[in-house]
Amino acid sequence: NAGVTQTPKFRVLKTGQSMTLLCAQDMNHEYMYWYRQDPGMGLRLIHYSVGEGTTAKGEVPDGYNVSRLKKQNFLLGLESAAPSQTSVYFCASSDRGYNSPLHFGNGTRLTVT
Amino acid sequence: GQNIDQPTEMTATEGAIVQINCTYQTSGFNGLFWYQQHAGEAPTFLSYNVLDGLEEKGRFSSFLSRSKGYSYLLLKELQMKDSASYLCAVPIDRGSTLGRLYFGRGTQLTVWP
Repeated sequence: NAGVTQTPKFRVLKTGQSMTLLCAQDMNHEYMYWYRQDPGMGLRLIHYSVGEGTTAKGEVPDGYNVSRLKKQNFLLGLESAAPSQTSVYFCASSDRGYNSPLHFGNGTRLTVT
Repeated sequence: GQNIDQPTEMTATEGAIVQINCTYQTSGFNGLFWYQQHAGEAPTFLSYNVLDGLEEKGRFSSFLSRSKGYSYLLLKELQMKDSASYLCAVPIDRGSTLGRLYFGRGTQLTVWP
């Protein structure tokens, strides 16, 4: 039972480069989320999805795009990376949304130089 | 909007009891979550409180007072493996099923032998 799997685990980008972070869950959850975590700050919501084919902006969406073409996958894209996007990115899923615990992936540590 | 306050750091001795406090302000209360996060790992769900009172789950208990905007996590019989960051979180949305969470900055607990 894999749960939530994120790839890659680590990545170093140069300013202006693009990349896609992949999140896959095998729990048949409807809701999926992308958070970023920075030192001294709480987890902040970037984008989320309430079902296949849907996406919506969270608290800090600028500079990111997402897609949810399949229920089990939620992709986070950086079109032109900036040093301010250096962070640890966590994907999470839940089955009911409201009052349902989040299941997190192990994170992607991204450094933009 | 939402705001969460929790202490940045706490230390305790193995075998002791520690209480981690969380005060929150939210536009419409919809429950409160506690997560545990070991260094370099994903957050994992500990507890969810929506009604006032204490909920016990093994060595961990969580308390909620909605009128005071206050919660605490109580850890008994501390073990070295309890050294981690403890995150307090409240739903952003009241009365909806979006499941978006607003996280506090976390309390780093260090347990000494």
